[in-house]
Amino acid sequence: DAGVIQSPRHEVTEMGQEVTLRCKPISGHDYLFWYRQTMMRGLELLIYFNNNVPIDDSGMPEDRFSAKMPNASFSTLKIQPSEPRDSAVYFCASSLALYEQYFGPGTRLTVT
Amino acid sequence: GQNIDQPTEMTATEGAIVQINCTYQTSGFNGLFWYQQHAGEAPTFLSYNVLDGLEEKGRFSSFLSRSKGYSYLLLKELQMKDSASYLCAVYYGNNRLAFGKGNQVVVIP
Repeated sequence: DAGVIQSPRHEVTEMGQEVTLRCKPISGHDYLFWYRQTMMRGLELLIYFNNNVPIDDSGMPEDRFSAKMPNASFSTLKIQPSEPRDSAVYFCASSLALYEQYFGPGTRLTVT
Repeated sequence: GQNIDQPTEMTATEGAIVQINCTYQTSGFNGLFWYQQHAGEAPTFLSYNVLDGLEEKGRFSSFLSRSKGYSYLLLKELQMKDSASYLCAVYYGNNRLAFGKGNQVVVIP
C-alpha cells in the first residue's frame, strides 16, 4: 500500500481565500483523523471519522473549518475564509480500529 | 476535560538510557499511545498501553500506571537516529483523543 496520501504538500494562499486539503487513507482502515501542528500548540486533533461518520469534532476551531468524508477512500478539510493564524502543518492519519495510526506526510499551509 | 504534561526537552549521550515521562488528567481513560516524530516528518507509532505494567519492544519500553495517571517511555542503547520528539497521546472519555506537546530528545556523541 502507498500509505496515507495527502495533497497538496504545500499551500500558500492569501487571507480570505478558501483552502481545501485532501486525504486518501490506507485501504481497509476504518478510522480517519485530521490534525493541525504548530510550534505553539503542538499536535491538535481537529476531527475524526469512523466508517465515514464524524465521531468527535470538538477540536475544530470554529465555523470556518469543515471536514467531509464522502466515502471510505477520500476526505477533505476545508477552511473558508482562511486567516494567517491558520498557518500550520495539517496531518491526516488513518487506522484500523482505534489503534496504531498511520500518518500522511502532511500539508504545510501558509496564509499571508 | 484533559490535561497532558510532558517535559519539553532533554539531552542524552549515545549508548545511554533515557526515560521520557507523561502525566495525564482525563475524564475517563481508555489507553495511552507513544509516537516518535523526527523534525519535518510525520509521527510514527511506537506503543499502546491499556493495562498497568511494562510493554517491551526491542530498545523501547513503555510503562503505564492508571491509578497515578502516569506513563513513561524508556529508550535503551540510545542511537543518534533516536533524536526526535516523543509524543504521548491519551484515548479517554467518550471516544476522545488528545496529544501532549511532546518531549524533544537530543542525542549527543
